[in-house]
Amino acid sequence: GAGVSQSPSNKVTEKGKDVELRCDPISGHTALYWYRQSLGQGLEFLIYFQGNSAPDKSGLPSDRFSAERTGGSVSTLTIQRTQQEDSAVYLCATRQGAGYGYTFGSGTRLTVV
Amino acid sequence: AQSVTQLDSQVPVFEEAPVELRCNYSSSVSVYLFWYVQYPNQGLQLLLKYLSGSTLVKGINGFEAEFNKSQTSFHLRKPSVHISDTAEYFCAVQTQGGSEKLVFGKGTKLTVNP
Repeated sequence: GAGVSQSPSNKVTEKGKDVELRCDPISGHTALYWYRQSLGQGLEFLIYFQGNSAPDKSGLPSDRFSAERTGGSVSTLTIQRTQQEDSAVYLCATRQGAGYGYTFGSGTRLTVV
Repeated sequence: AQSVTQLDSQVPVFEEAPVELRCNYSSSVSVYLFWYVQYPNQGLQLLLKYLSGSTLVKGINGFEAEFNKSQTSFHLRKPSVHISDTAEYFCAVQTQGGSEKLVFGKGTKLTVNP
């Protein structure tokens, strides 16, 4: 597609439930990143994919967070047993190549109640 | 590890005034430098980037930034702002090689008043 597409755009979930967030990257962009944007905290790196592998997952805050990417394309970020502190906007970004800027999706706003 | 400091969390200015948003970074390796803008309820958009070459880079919407290696700074400037420039601005560094992940500052909220 023309841009990075994320779904859902908004998600309200009860504490303790699992959620899946989806990212459809720009076709041909092999690098894919997940970030979390919390109020007053800026953007926090979560995980990086090159193709289907994740050589850098250093930003995942706990083992409740996991992500996968299939076919070098769609990626899903899964949060198990959600907590209120997981409430944030989750952003996906892809990159064309070395030295290029990222293209960000519009994000998924997750609210845990 | 890399880090980015945006010294001002909020900057209010009047329309047509000049503005400078400050950014300092720390890194033990060579980096690329970026400024992103996020308008209310929208995603992040690339404003400008420094990869190499001339230290003064020009971006969209009349913004420019100057890379200063000795001061490890990459301040963003615009000589005359408009109401429509009201947004949050993020400075970011990206390591050359490896994951090339972006490390962001916490953002500066620019508010342009009439």
